Amino acid sequence: QLVLTQSPSASASLGASVKLTCTLTTGHSSYSIAWHQQQPEKGPRFLMKLNPDGSHKKGDGIPDRFSGSSSGAERYLTISSLQSDDEADYYCQTWGTGILVFGTGTKVTVL
Amino acid sequence: QLQLQESGPGLVKTSETLSLMCTVSGGSISSASYYWTWIRQTPGKGLEWIGTIHQSGKTYYNPSLTSRVIISVDTSKNQFSLQLTSVTAADRAVYYCARGILTDIFWGQGTLITVSS
Repeated sequence: QLVLTQSPSASASLGASVKLTCTLTTGHSSYSIAWHQQQPEKGPRFLMKLNPDGSHKKGDGIPDRFSGSSSGAERYLTISSLQSDDEADYYCQTWGTGILVFGTGTKVTVL
Repeated sequence: QLQLQESGPGLVKTSETLSLMCTVSGGSISSASYYWTWIRQTPGKGLEWIGTIHQSGKTYYNPSLTSRVIISVDTSKNQFSLQLTSVTAADRAVYYCARGILTDIFWGQGTLITVSS
């Protein structure tokens, strides 16, 4: 069964970096994923598509501070130079054999 | 610029059918091989996929909802729609439409649906 696992929370100081992890279930390590950001009281926004080799394609207007990388079944989202409006929920998502799956989301707090 | 706008009743009664529409502007719903998706979010909770329709008309549904969901496309109106039958209080959520499944995903702003008895 295709499942995406995310830690429920992460935090870092203003101006620092934070690295979020999304783990694919065994047998699905070749899947690409998408990362989405949802700021408080707003709808989600697509950040990027991230491939198993770490290559990624960002959505329009997504700052260079957002980057993606991969290792095995893990997909990462790194946010550099954290700003206050990066405080949000971050969801990973994938598509496999006719099913779309979301991770449970990671809440990022900017200290 | 592409825009997706959900529209619906806002309030639906228990056991009735919820019908939502997503109007696409700034692009044609049939211009390329896109997927069109419905997603919902219970207040304070995560995102739940409802279903997806490909530009060809092929549909994909969440197994937990498949018996109650129909998604269709109306190319003449540049819209796609969601029908969810036999609604219960558990269907109270913000409903989002979106274009895409992995690449260049574009979200609508969402519409809150409340269920009353």
